[in-house]
Amino acid sequence: EVQLVESGGGLVQPGRSLRLSCAASGFTFDDYAMHWVRQAPGKGLEWVSGISWNSGSKGYADSVKDRFTISRDNAKDSLYLQVHILRPEDTAFYFCVKDSTSLHYGPGNANPPIYFDSWGQGTLVTVSS
Amino acid sequence: SYELTQPPSVSVSPGQTARITCSGDKLGNQYVCWYQQKPGQSPVVVIYENSKRPSGIPERFSGSNSGNTATLTISGTQAIDEADYYCQTWDSRSPYVFGTGTKVTVL
Repeated sequence: EVQLVESGGGLVQPGRSLRLSCAASGFTFDDYAMHWVRQAPGKGLEWVSGISWNSGSKGYADSVKDRFTISRDNAKDSLYLQVHILRPEDTAFYFCVKDSTSLHYGPGNANPPIYFDSWGQGTLVTVSS
Repeated sequence: SYELTQPPSVSVSPGQTARITCSGDKLGNQYVCWYQQKPGQSPVVVIYENSKRPSGIPERFSGSNSGNTATLTISGTQAIDEADYYCQTWDSRSPYVFGTGTKVTVL
């Protein structure tokens, strides 16, 4: 059974940093691309960032580009999201998500058949003074 | 940027058919998937590659995609289908973009 367990969320002041982690189990971690998706309380889903199986391709939403950094450690079956210069609008549940393929698709690709087949329970990040 | 627009809400009587639309520029040229999210739970994929159902998803869930609109159809809707539904596609302008979400209420 696929399990994705996020940690690292909490209450943080604007402008500060945080590191989110995701521990994966139940599948061969380094066979799959991984993502972070967030959801503000009572709002919709927003893709934040993704990384290919070997970290060779990474991508970010415009709203977090230059502030967030995604990484993975295949030896530890773990996914990370380093978040800097946090803003109140970053307040959300952050989900660790498993891709159905090994690839992260960046600009230049042509309409790939993407979908996310497993989600963690999420970790809440609250940005407030 | 690329946007996917869904109706905020859809109401359906038990046993009837619910149709949830997802609109985007030339969306029919792209693959679409759909997620179901029940209150307090994480999303679950119910349709991928426009019309394929993952194992374990009931046959009453089906999907189509043509022109500028993708549609998720729930036939014989049950009370347990009450949830938020999100479409998703990949576009070079907005990779892995989600739709705005639709709340399905079974009256």
